Amino acid sequence: SQKIEQNSEALNIQEGKTATLTCNYTNYSPAYLQWYRQDPGRGPVFLLLIRENEKEKRKERLKVTFDTTLKQSLFHITASQPADSATYLCALARNNRLAFGKGNQVVVIP
Amino acid sequence: EAGVTQFPSHSVIEKGQTVTLRCDPISGHDNLYWYRRVMGKEIKFLLHFVKESKQDESGMPNNRFLAERTGGTYSTLKVQPAELEDSGVYFCASSHSDTQYFGPGTRLTVL
Repeated sequence: SQKIEQNSEALNIQEGKTATLTCNYTNYSPAYLQWYRQDPGRGPVFLLLIRENEKEKRKERLKVTFDTTLKQSLFHITASQPADSATYLCALARNNRLAFGKGNQVVVIP
Repeated sequence: EAGVTQFPSHSVIEKGQTVTLRCDPISGHDNLYWYRRVMGKEIKFLLHFVKESKQDESGMPNNRFLAERTGGTYSTLKVQPAELEDSGVYFCASSHSDTQYFGPGTRLTVL
C-alpha cells in the first residue's frame, strides 16, 4: 500500500542554522510534490511545488529537492528563525489528488 | 484577494444529527477539493470538483457524506447522520492549476 513518511519526532534547531526535513514514499508515482506549512488551528499554507522532472527548487530561504529514484524529497530552511516554528507537511500529487504525510514539527530555538 | 473561507470554524453535534459545512473557494478557481484530518492521522482526500461536476469522489468514506457545488461557486459537505468517527477537521482547498490553497478548516466534534 502507499506510504508517505515524515519524521514523527520534532526537530529542535538553533536559530540561524539550517533545518532539513525528509519525506520518503513507497508504492507511489507522484507527478509533483508540494510542501506546506501548518500552524496550530490553521489550514496548510502552500510553500513550494516541485515536479517529477525537477531536481531542486528554491524560494527565498527555502529549498526543496526531489529524487524519484530514491523516492525522497528533502526540505531545507536556511538561516532559520523562531517564526519558522511550525509543522511542515509533504504532499504528493497524482491526478489532482494530494496524499499527505503526517507532518514534521520544527522548533527554532532563539 | 480573499483566500479560501470555510464556515463554521467549529461545530459540535450529537451522534445522529446532521451537519452542513460550507466552503467558498478563491474567486475564479474551478477546482475545489475537500479533505479531512481525523485525530492522529494524516490529512486525507475526500473529493474533487471541477466547476459543478464531481471529478473524483473516491475518498468519500460512505454514503452519509454528500457534497454539492451548485453553480460552480461555493460547496457544501453534508454529513447525515453523523457518527462519532466523523469527528475531525474538514479542510477545503481550491486551485486554478496545480497548487492547492487551503482554507482554515472546520473542526467537527460528534458527541
